Amino acid sequence: DQQVKQNSPSLSVQEGRISILNCDYTNSMFDYFLWYKKYPAEGPTFLISISSIKDKNEDGRFTVFLNKSAKHLSLHIVPSQPGDSAVYFCAATGSDSGNTPLVFGKGTRLSVIA
Amino acid sequence: DSGVTQTPKHLITATGQRVTLRCSPRSGDLSVYWYQQSLDQGLQFLIQYYNGEERAKGNILERFSAQQFPDLHSELNLSSLELGDSALYFCASSVWAGQGLSGNTIYFGEGSWLTVV
Repeated sequence: DQQVKQNSPSLSVQEGRISILNCDYTNSMFDYFLWYKKYPAEGPTFLISISSIKDKNEDGRFTVFLNKSAKHLSLHIVPSQPGDSAVYFCAATGSDSGNTPLVFGKGTRLSVIA
Repeated sequence: DSGVTQTPKHLITATGQRVTLRCSPRSGDLSVYWYQQSLDQGLQFLIQYYNGEERAKGNILERFSAQQFPDLHSELNLSSLELGDSALYFCASSVWAGQGLSGNTIYFGEGSWLTVV
C-alpha cells in the first residue's frame, strides 16, 4: 500500500517555463512534507519542506503547495533551468514524536530542455 | 558532498552470499538510516539507529540486519542474497531521531550499488 504517490514518472519542461510536480498521500497522520532532489550517481538532497499548518512555502524558485483536504501537494519550479533536471522525491512523515518513518514516493524524473 | 560516507560504492556478488555495507554519518549526527532503492521502487526505509540503539524498523527482511557502533558508524549486513536484492542502498544521517522533521534534515550518502548475479 503506497502511502505517498507520485503518479507521473517523468516530466519534460522547456527552460524558463514552470515545472509542476505532484504528490498525493493517503495517511492522515502525515503532517510534515518534504521534497528531495536526486542527480545521477548522487544521494538525494533536501530541497524544501512544508508543515501542515501552512498551505504554501517558498524558497527562491521553489514553492511547495499543500492541499490538506485533498491530501495533495505540489512543487513548483519557476523558472525552470537545465540544472533542475533530476529525479524529485516527495516524502511525508508525522511529527507526533518523531517516531513516524519518512515515507518516500517513487519519484518523478524532470527533464528541463534548453 | 553531504558528509555521509558509504563503502563500497559498487559490489557484485553471487546469490547465497553475504555482504556488509558500511556507513559513516556526518560529524555530530547521532541518527543513521538505511534505505533501499530498487529499479521500480522509490526509497524504501529499512531501519534507523539513534546513538547506538535501534529506533525504527521499516521493510527490512529477516535476512538483513544492521547495527550502529559506539563511534556511530553503521553497517548493514545482507545475507543469503537473492537476485531481487540487487539495488542501490543508501545510508543517511541526521542530528537527532525525528525523521525528516524541521531542523533535523536527513543527509544522504551517495549509495552502494549492489548487484547479485
